[in-house]
Amino acid sequence: DTEVTQTPKHLVMGMTNKKSLKCEQHMGHRAMYWYKQKAKKPPELMFVYSYEKLSINESVPSRFSPECPNSSLLNLHLHALQPEDSALYLCASSQDPATSGANVLTFGAGSRLTVL
Amino acid sequence: DAKTTQPPSMDCAEGRAANLPCNHSTISGNEYVYWYRQIHSQGPQYIIHGLKNNETNEMASLIITEDRKSSTLILPHATLRDTAVYYCIVRGVGDSGGSNYKLTFGKGTLLTVNP
Repeated sequence: DTEVTQTPKHLVMGMTNKKSLKCEQHMGHRAMYWYKQKAKKPPELMFVYSYEKLSINESVPSRFSPECPNSSLLNLHLHALQPEDSALYLCASSQDPATSGANVLTFGAGSRLTVL
Repeated sequence: DAKTTQPPSMDCAEGRAANLPCNHSTISGNEYVYWYRQIHSQGPQYIIHGLKNNETNEMASLIITEDRKSSTLILPHATLRDTAVYYCIVRGVGDSGGSNYKLTFGKGTLLTVNP
């Protein structure tokens, strides 16, 4: 299995809702990432988990809450979002760059979020 | 990480080679050059990476100048499906630590392959 699977593909939520985005990989990768991408902009890093521990939080607002239940799963819990949070949310995974010698990320197809 | 400069857009005729340039004049000795691409509404896709030597795989070739200050990604026979935004990223790999995982995307080059 060489894929990163993201669900749902599309999500519409109100500003008072609580929802979650899910990401799964079975490549044995020990690093997992969340990126956010606004229209016509490059992906922006949000969070990185390495060996199931949060390694990087790019000063993301607390209304986004990541969770890594195990080495294959990554969740992004959403609560009290704003319309400007509408974007494509991309999950990725990789081997540890320090051991593999390279930053080769495998991305999922993304979850397109619309906040009303 | 070294900054990269890419043209915002390029055109290529189908079947011809697409040569995408990237300038990275401040690259340091332990930094790799990576290329990713993103087809519309899909997640980015890894293409190739290199340190000093030219590299080739089933998708593309990467030519790095001797002084490493610039590189060119070559798609030998571009097809319509190669229309995408191509990102050149320079990144070093150090000791274990959070910063190793930080892959930052610039604006990239929109390559349009025309029939």
